Parts: sequence; structure tokens; C-alpha cells
Amino acid sequence: GAVVSQHPSRVICKSGTSVKIECRSLDFQATTMFWYRQFPKKSLMLMATSNEGSKATYEQGVEKDKFLINHASLTLSTLTVTSAHPEDSSFYICSARDQHLRGPGDGSRPYNSPLHFGNGTRLTVT
Amino acid sequence: QKEVEQNSGPLSVPEGAIASLNCTYSDRGSQSFFWYRQYSGKSPELIMSIYSNGDKEDGRFTAQLNKASQYVSLLIRDSQPSDSATYLCAVFGGYNKLIFGAGTRLAVHP
Repeated sequence: GAVVSQHPSRVICKSGTSVKIECRSLDFQATTMFWYRQFPKKSLMLMATSNEGSKATYEQGVEKDKFLINHASLTLSTLTVTSAHPEDSSFYICSARDQHLRGPGDGSRPYNSPLHFGNGTRLTVT
Repeated sequence: QKEVEQNSGPLSVPEGAIASLNCTYSDRGSQSFFWYRQYSGKSPELIMSIYSNGDKEDGRFTAQLNKASQYVSLLIRDSQPSDSATYLCAVFGGYNKLIFGAGTRLAVHP
């Protein structure tokens, strides 16, 4: 369970064009999805939290007009990199949690189900 | 102070040995802890989750949690070359966010 599908896996585009990346939760509903970016040999950097039916929450330093996020349904979030430039070349990964999963134990303690990741999208801007 | 800290490595172990990966976190109120494995060029995959103090075993993997010391570890028994990857420690912090450490690179040599 908790499968997250991301498409495309790889895209090459010219500078100035826009690229859309899709993230789907296949076997669960996700009111919240998370978009990460990772540069080579660096750790994951959270870009934004996508909220179904409302505006995304962006992390400090991430331009919301450049990285447009839409979460129109409980199973789909999209990230659009607008007017891409070579410095936007990176590995973009989406993730989601099945928030309806019941946790271990008697339920007396808070339970946060783990994040499951899509396969990532490698974006190259030429 | 970083919220989740890991030694970047590389940690080099011989095939068949036990690999020990460590992680400390700063938020004393954290309740949920995860270990992910990431191969080069791939996205992270969940290996273990742990929520209570003590040990949790799953096959060759054992996660250990000590909330008093704010310390999480991952032991990999009978290490194989295929275990060579970056291991990410993640802690569920406030504001519904999963905070990742920088990762420890593990190299298992034959």
C-alpha cells in the first residue's frame, strides 16, 4: 500500500519554457503532499506543502510564482516550474502520507504515518 | 543547531559485518522516527519506522530509539554490497513536516 506515482521521470527542456510534474497517490487519498528538491550529493530540501483545495505552503526562499503547485483532487498534485533556467536543473521528488493509517499500540500516542516517495523527476534545463 | 544530525560518512564496512548508523535530533517532543535508504539517482525508500523507545527488528535491520538521549540508530546485520547507499534519518517535527538529516553514505565492500 501507500504507492506514490510521479511523472515524468526525466525531462529536458529549453531555458524559458515551463515544465509540469504530476504526483499521484495510487491507493490512498492524500489531503497533503510534499515537494522536495535534491541537488547532487545533497540532502532533500522541502520546497512546499501542497494542500488539497487550498493554497500551497512554501518554504522560506522558494519562489511561489516560479514553482506553481496545484492540488486539485485528493490523489493528484502538480508542480509547474515556470520559465525554467539552467539553475532549476535538479531532482524533484514528491511524497505523501496515508493519514488514515492506524498506528501501532493502543492509539493513546500521536501517530504519524511515514512519507512515501514518488520515483522523482530529473529536470535538465538547457 | 541542525534539527536532525547524521555523520555524512562514508561509513565503510566489510561484507557480512554489522553497519551502525546514528542520528540525533533536537526536538524533544518528536514522536515519530524513520529511516530511508536512497540509492544514487533514485528517490528515498522507507526501511523502518519506530515510535517507542527500544529496539524494533525487521529482517536484517534493527532500529533503536532512545528519546531521553534524543538518539535514533539503525543497525544492518550481515551487510551486503547491495546495502551500499545513503541512509536518511527523518523525524516528524512540528507543522506536519518530516525533517531529514543530511544522510550517511554506507559503502559495503566485498
